Amino acid sequence: GAGVSQSPSNKVTEKGKDVELRCDPISGHTALYWYRQSLGQGLEFLIYFQGNSAPDKSGLPSDRFSAERTGGSVSTLTIQRTQQEDSAVYLCASSPDRGRNGYTFGSGTRLTVV
Amino acid sequence: GQNIDQPTEMTATEGAIVQINCTYQTSGFNGLFWYQQHAGEAPTFLSYNVLDGLEEKGRFSSFLSRSKGYSYLLLKELQMKDSASYLCAVRPNQAGTALIFGKGTTLSVSS
Repeated sequence: GAGVSQSPSNKVTEKGKDVELRCDPISGHTALYWYRQSLGQGLEFLIYFQGNSAPDKSGLPSDRFSAERTGGSVSTLTIQRTQQEDSAVYLCASSPDRGRNGYTFGSGTRLTVV
Repeated sequence: GQNIDQPTEMTATEGAIVQINCTYQTSGFNGLFWYQQHAGEAPTFLSYNVLDGLEEKGRFSSFLSRSKGYSYLLLKELQMKDSASYLCAVRPNQAGTALIFGKGTTLSVSS
Protein backbone atom coordinates (compact mmCIF):
# COMPACT_ATOMS: atom_id res chain seq x y z
CA GLY A 1 0.00 0.00 0.00
CA ALA A 2 0.88 3.65 -0.18
CA GLY A 3 1.42 3.96 3.54
CA VAL A 4 1.29 2.04 6.80
CA SER A 5 -2.32 1.22 7.59
CA GLN A 6 -3.58 0.53 11.09
CA SER A 7 -7.00 -0.58 12.24
CA PRO A 8 -9.09 0.21 14.08
CA SER A 9 -8.24 3.87 14.46
CA ASN A 10 -10.05 3.97 17.79
CA LYS A 11 -10.98 1.19 20.18
CA VAL A 12 -12.83 1.41 23.47
CA THR A 13 -12.89 -1.78 25.46
CA GLU A 14 -13.90 -2.90 28.91
CA LYS A 15 -11.26 -3.84 31.44
CA GLY A 16 -10.50 -7.54 31.25
CA LYS A 17 -11.39 -7.95 27.59
CA ASP A 18 -8.92 -8.97 24.89
CA VAL A 19 -8.16 -6.67 21.94
CA GLU A 20 -6.45 -7.15 18.60
CA LEU A 21 -4.76 -4.30 16.76
CA ARG A 22 -3.80 -4.67 13.12
CA CYS A 23 -0.95 -3.21 11.09
CA ASP A 24 -0.54 -3.43 7.33
CA PRO A 25 2.97 -2.20 6.45
CA ILE A 26 4.18 -0.68 3.21
CA SER A 27 4.54 -3.39 0.59
CA GLY A 28 8.10 -4.68 0.42
CA HIS A 29 9.14 -3.33 3.82
CA THR A 30 10.91 -6.08 5.68
CA ALA A 31 11.09 -4.45 9.11
CA LEU A 32 8.00 -3.80 11.25
CA TYR A 33 7.89 -2.17 14.67
CA TRP A 34 5.22 -1.65 17.32
CA TYR A 35 5.43 1.26 19.76
CA ARG A 36 2.96 2.79 22.17
CA GLN A 37 2.62 6.41 23.15
CA SER A 38 0.96 7.52 26.35
CA LEU A 39 0.06 11.12 27.15
CA GLY A 40 3.19 13.02 28.08
CA GLN A 41 5.41 10.03 27.46
CA GLY A 42 7.79 9.18 24.68
CA LEU A 43 7.30 6.38 22.24
CA GLU A 44 7.81 3.11 24.08
CA PHE A 45 9.21 0.25 22.01
CA LEU A 46 7.20 -2.96 22.17
CA ILE A 47 8.30 -5.46 19.52
CA TYR A 48 10.26 -5.62 16.24
CA PHE A 49 10.01 -8.02 13.29
CA GLN A 50 12.72 -8.31 10.62
CA GLY A 51 12.09 -10.65 7.72
CA ASN A 52 12.06 -14.28 8.82
CA SER A 53 14.20 -13.67 11.92
CA ALA A 54 12.89 -14.27 15.41
CA PRO A 55 11.16 -11.10 16.63
CA ASP A 56 12.74 -8.84 19.25
CA LYS A 57 10.15 -8.97 22.03
CA SER A 58 12.28 -7.18 24.60
CA GLY A 59 9.89 -4.22 24.93
CA LEU A 60 6.67 -6.10 25.66
CA PRO A 61 5.58 -4.92 29.14
CA SER A 62 3.95 -8.15 30.28
CA ASP A 63 2.91 -11.59 29.09
CA ARG A 64 -0.52 -10.18 28.34
CA PHE A 65 1.00 -8.65 25.23
CA SER A 66 1.86 -10.66 22.14
CA ALA A 67 2.29 -10.03 18.45
CA GLU A 68 2.65 -11.98 15.28
CA ARG A 69 3.44 -11.21 11.69
CA THR A 70 2.00 -13.48 9.07
CA GLY A 71 3.70 -14.04 5.74
CA GLY A 72 6.16 -11.25 6.41
CA SER A 73 3.45 -8.67 5.93
CA VAL A 74 0.45 -7.94 8.17
CA SER A 75 1.02 -7.88 11.91
CA THR A 76 -1.42 -8.23 14.79
CA LEU A 77 -0.75 -6.99 18.32
CA THR A 78 -2.90 -8.74 20.90
CA ILE A 79 -3.49 -7.52 24.43
CA GLN A 80 -5.20 -9.99 26.73
CA ARG A 81 -7.17 -9.10 29.85
CA THR A 82 -6.76 -5.37 29.20
CA GLN A 83 -6.05 -3.02 32.09
CA GLN A 84 -6.63 0.73 32.33
CA GLU A 85 -2.88 1.36 32.16
CA ASP A 86 -2.93 -0.18 28.68
CA SER A 87 -4.77 2.91 27.42
CA ALA A 88 -2.49 4.58 24.88
CA VAL A 89 -1.95 5.15 21.18
CA TYR A 90 -0.39 2.08 19.60
CA LEU A 91 1.78 2.98 16.63
CA CYS A 92 3.10 0.65 13.98
CA ALA A 93 6.02 1.52 11.71
CA SER A 94 7.78 -0.18 8.85
CA SER A 95 11.09 0.23 7.09
CA PRO A 96 12.56 -1.20 3.89
CA ASP A 97 16.13 -1.64 4.93
CA ARG A 98 16.69 -2.30 8.62
CA GLY A 99 15.83 1.29 9.43
CA ARG A 100 18.75 3.21 7.94
CA ASN A 101 16.37 5.75 6.48
CA GLY A 102 14.01 5.96 9.39
CA TYR A 103 10.60 4.48 9.80
CA THR A 104 7.26 5.25 8.21
CA PHE A 105 4.62 5.30 10.91
CA GLY A 106 0.95 4.51 10.66
CA SER A 107 -1.64 6.83 12.19
CA GLY A 108 -2.02 4.57 15.19
CA THR A 109 -4.81 2.94 17.14
CA ARG A 110 -6.09 4.89 20.14
CA LEU A 111 -6.99 2.31 22.77
CA THR A 112 -9.13 3.30 25.72
CA VAL A 113 -9.77 0.77 28.47
CA VAL A 114 -12.75 1.66 30.67
CA GLY B 1 20.33 2.23 30.91
CA GLN B 2 19.18 4.21 27.93
CA ASN B 3 18.32 7.88 28.36
CA ILE B 4 17.38 10.60 25.91
CA ASP B 5 16.68 14.11 27.17
CA GLN B 6 15.08 17.03 25.41
CA PRO B 7 13.18 20.08 26.66
CA THR B 8 9.47 19.54 27.21
CA GLU B 9 8.24 22.76 25.66
CA MET B 10 9.51 25.68 23.61
CA THR B 11 7.87 28.76 22.16
CA ALA B 12 8.90 30.98 19.28
CA THR B 13 7.46 33.51 16.85
CA GLU B 14 6.91 33.31 13.13
CA GLY B 15 10.02 34.01 11.08
CA ALA B 16 12.37 33.28 13.95
CA ILE B 17 14.98 30.55 14.36
CA VAL B 18 14.69 27.91 17.08
CA GLN B 19 17.14 25.23 18.24
CA ILE B 20 15.85 22.08 19.94
CA ASN B 21 18.53 20.23 21.87
CA CYS B 22 18.79 16.52 22.57
CA THR B 23 21.31 14.74 24.77
CA TYR B 24 21.62 10.99 24.97
CA GLN B 25 23.29 8.32 27.06
CA THR B 26 22.87 4.93 25.42
CA SER B 27 24.62 1.58 25.48
CA GLY B 28 25.84 2.18 21.94
CA PHE B 29 25.27 4.50 19.01
CA ASN B 30 24.37 3.77 15.42
CA GLY B 31 22.46 6.85 14.32
CA LEU B 32 20.24 9.66 15.57
CA PHE B 33 16.89 10.57 14.09
CA TRP B 34 14.54 13.53 14.38
CA TYR B 35 10.80 13.17 13.81
CA GLN B 36 7.98 15.71 13.67
CA GLN B 37 4.59 14.84 15.12
CA HIS B 38 1.53 17.05 14.79
CA ALA B 39 -1.17 16.54 17.39
CA GLY B 40 -3.20 13.42 16.69
CA GLU B 41 -1.03 12.39 13.76
CA ALA B 42 1.77 9.91 13.08
CA PRO B 43 5.40 10.95 13.52
CA THR B 44 7.10 11.81 10.23
CA PHE B 45 10.81 11.43 9.54
CA LEU B 46 12.83 14.67 9.38
CA SER B 47 16.53 13.86 9.54
CA TYR B 48 19.22 11.30 10.22
CA ASN B 49 22.77 11.81 11.53
CA VAL B 50 25.34 9.10 12.05
CA LEU B 51 28.56 11.12 11.62
CA ASP B 52 29.53 14.32 13.43
CA GLY B 53 28.49 17.54 11.81
CA LEU B 54 25.59 19.37 10.32
CA GLU B 55 23.02 17.98 7.90
CA GLU B 56 20.94 20.63 6.15
CA LYS B 57 17.59 20.01 4.51
CA GLY B 58 15.73 23.14 3.52
CA ARG B 59 14.59 25.12 6.56
CA PHE B 60 15.61 22.27 8.86
CA SER B 61 19.14 21.32 9.91
CA SER B 62 20.36 18.70 12.35
CA PHE B 63 23.70 18.57 14.13
CA LEU B 64 25.46 15.72 15.88
CA SER B 65 28.41 15.47 18.24
CA ARG B 66 28.99 11.83 19.17
CA SER B 67 31.72 12.61 21.70
CA LYS B 68 29.32 14.87 23.61
CA GLY B 69 26.23 12.69 23.14
CA TYR B 70 24.49 15.75 21.77
CA SER B 71 22.32 16.73 18.85
CA TYR B 72 20.18 19.68 17.93
CA LEU B 73 17.46 20.37 15.39
CA LEU B 74 17.52 23.88 13.95
CA LEU B 75 14.38 25.29 12.41
CA LYS B 76 14.69 28.51 10.40
CA GLU B 77 12.07 30.95 9.11
CA LEU B 78 9.49 29.48 11.44
CA GLN B 79 5.94 29.09 10.20
CA MET B 80 2.74 28.47 12.13
CA LYS B 81 2.57 24.97 10.65
CA ASP B 82 5.83 24.13 12.43
CA SER B 83 3.90 23.99 15.70
CA ALA B 84 4.28 20.31 16.59
CA SER B 85 6.15 17.90 18.80
CA TYR B 86 9.74 17.11 17.78
CA LEU B 87 11.06 13.71 18.74
CA CYS B 88 14.72 12.80 19.10
CA ALA B 89 15.51 9.09 18.68
CA VAL B 90 18.70 7.04 18.89
CA ARG B 91 19.47 3.64 17.44
CA PRO B 92 21.76 2.13 20.07
CA ASN B 93 22.94 -0.94 18.20
CA GLN B 94 23.44 -2.27 14.73
CA ALA B 95 21.09 -1.33 11.94
CA GLY B 96 17.72 -2.92 12.37
CA THR B 97 17.37 -2.66 16.10
CA ALA B 98 14.61 -0.52 17.47
CA LEU B 99 14.98 3.22 18.00
CA ILE B 100 14.80 4.67 21.50
CA PHE B 101 12.76 7.87 21.59
CA GLY B 102 12.90 10.88 23.86
CA LYS B 103 9.64 12.28 25.24
CA GLY B 104 9.53 14.98 22.61
CA THR B 105 9.64 18.77 22.60
CA THR B 106 6.36 20.59 21.97
CA LEU B 107 7.05 23.69 19.90
CA SER B 108 4.46 26.45 19.76
CA VAL B 109 4.87 29.07 17.05
CA SER B 110 2.92 32.29 17.47
CA SER B 111 2.33 35.18 15.11
